Amino acid sequence: EAQVTQNPRYLITVTGKKLTVTCSQNMNHEYMSWYRQDPGLGLRQIYYSMNVEVTDKGDVPEGYKVSRKEKRNFPLILESPSPNQTSLYFCASSFSYRGEAFFGQGTRLTVV
Amino acid sequence: GENVEQHPSTLSVQEGDSAVIKCTYSDSASNYFPWYKQELGKGPQLIIDIRSNVGEKKDQRIAVTLNKTAKHFSLHITETQPEDSAVYFCAASLGNAGNMLTFGGGTRLMVKP
Repeated sequence: EAQVTQNPRYLITVTGKKLTVTCSQNMNHEYMSWYRQDPGLGLRQIYYSMNVEVTDKGDVPEGYKVSRKEKRNFPLILESPSPNQTSLYFCASSFSYRGEAFFGQGTRLTVV
Repeated sequence: GENVEQHPSTLSVQEGDSAVIKCTYSDSASNYFPWYKQELGKGPQLIIDIRSNVGEKKDQRIAVTLNKTAKHFSLHITETQPEDSAVYFCAASLGNAGNMLTFGGGTRLMVKP
C-alpha cells in the first residue's frame, strides 16, 4: 500500500530536549516536505527536499532541521524545542512539485 | 512569496444543499490549484485539482472553477452528505521546483443530517 508513515503520532516533551520525528514513503517520490498545522493558519511549509542531499527552507524553518540521506526518509529534527513549536506536523511526498502530495497521518507535538 | 486566502473559515449546510468555498491567491505565476480534504485525525487528502490552462473541472459531486484574471478559485460541492463534513484546504503552487504548495487557512464544513 502506497503510504507516508510518520512516527511518533503523539509526543509530549520538555523545552530544550532534542527530538526527531521520522517520515518514510514507499512510493519512490523525489519530493518530500514538512508542514505544521496551526488553527486558522492552515498548513505552513517548514522544509522541503527535491532529492537526496537537496533540502531547502520553506516559510517557517526557524528552530527546525532536516536531512535527506536516503530517498525514502526525511526526518524532522528539533534541536531545542520550545513551547511555540507545539503543533500538528505533517510530512508529505509527491512525484513532482506540481503533482498530488501524499500526506502522513500527522504528529501531534506538545512542548511544555 | 505566494499568499492564499480562504473563506469562509466555517460553513454549515443542511444535507442535500450545496457548499461553496472560495480562495484567492496573490502570485499570477501560480498555475496549479489543488483542494485537499482533511478528516478528523487524518492527514489531508487530494480531492480535486485544476491547472491554469483549464477554467473548470468536475468529478461527480465536486467541481472547481478558476478565474485567472481575478486570481481566485472555488470548490463547489453539490448534494452534500454527512460524510462531506471535514476541513477543506485550497492550495496554490508556483510550478517551480521549490515551495511545493502554499495553503489557505482551511474551511471547516459541517453537513447537518
